Amino acid sequence: GAVVSQHPSRVICKSGTSVKIECRSLDFQATTMFWYRQFPKKSLMLMATSNEGSKATYEQGVEKDKFLINHASLTLSTLTVTSAHPEDSSFYICSASQGYEQYFGPGTRLTVT
Amino acid sequence: GQQVMQIPQYQHVQEGEDFTTYCNSSTTLSNIQWYKQRPGGHPVFLIQLVKSGEVKKQKRLTFQFGEAKKNSSLHITATQTTDVGTYFCAGGNQAGTALIFGKGTTLSVSS
Repeated sequence: GAVVSQHPSRVICKSGTSVKIECRSLDFQATTMFWYRQFPKKSLMLMATSNEGSKATYEQGVEKDKFLINHASLTLSTLTVTSAHPEDSSFYICSASQGYEQYFGPGTRLTVT
Repeated sequence: GQQVMQIPQYQHVQEGEDFTTYCNSSTTLSNIQWYKQRPGGHPVFLIQLVKSGEVKKQKRLTFQFGEAKKNSSLHITATQTTDVGTYFCAGGNQAGTALIFGKGTTLSVSS
């Protein structure tokens, strides 16, 4: 099956700093990628839809100036958490779609101290 | 907005018992997908159902899509400890659009 990688897998940062998370589709081109956030023992909450070459579409309640998404190529989307705060600590997962199926990256555990 | 509800939230079974999780959408879906997430892992695609009334099997797992394309179920026969994890259903509309995930059912199995 299709493979999606995510980097870094874990990151700890201080409050006020920014963190960039990369999502790559390794063996297929993805015109659309999705960013989800998952709280402990909770479901995946869609944050935004990332389209190659255009602006991301954010879900209601997600601050676009705080969670910057860039989909620079058909294989790479990045999520930058700006001015991170402890409440941003979470598990961030990206996925890339190929037809109806979505392939998930392994996730990034962000801890903001 | 569109919602996908999933029950139960948690289920504990003895090894060898059967297990079922149910998924219900507030709107008609074009497809429904099932994912499994092991503790500490990421969601892994299991299957997609597209047709009304469709039933698909994967070994001990049976997936069903309702006639109205608004509900679905996953049934595991004779559970094993390797079945432990959280099972999510996700409703889809058009290809390439975001999935709406249910809250998941966390299955624990004791031997």
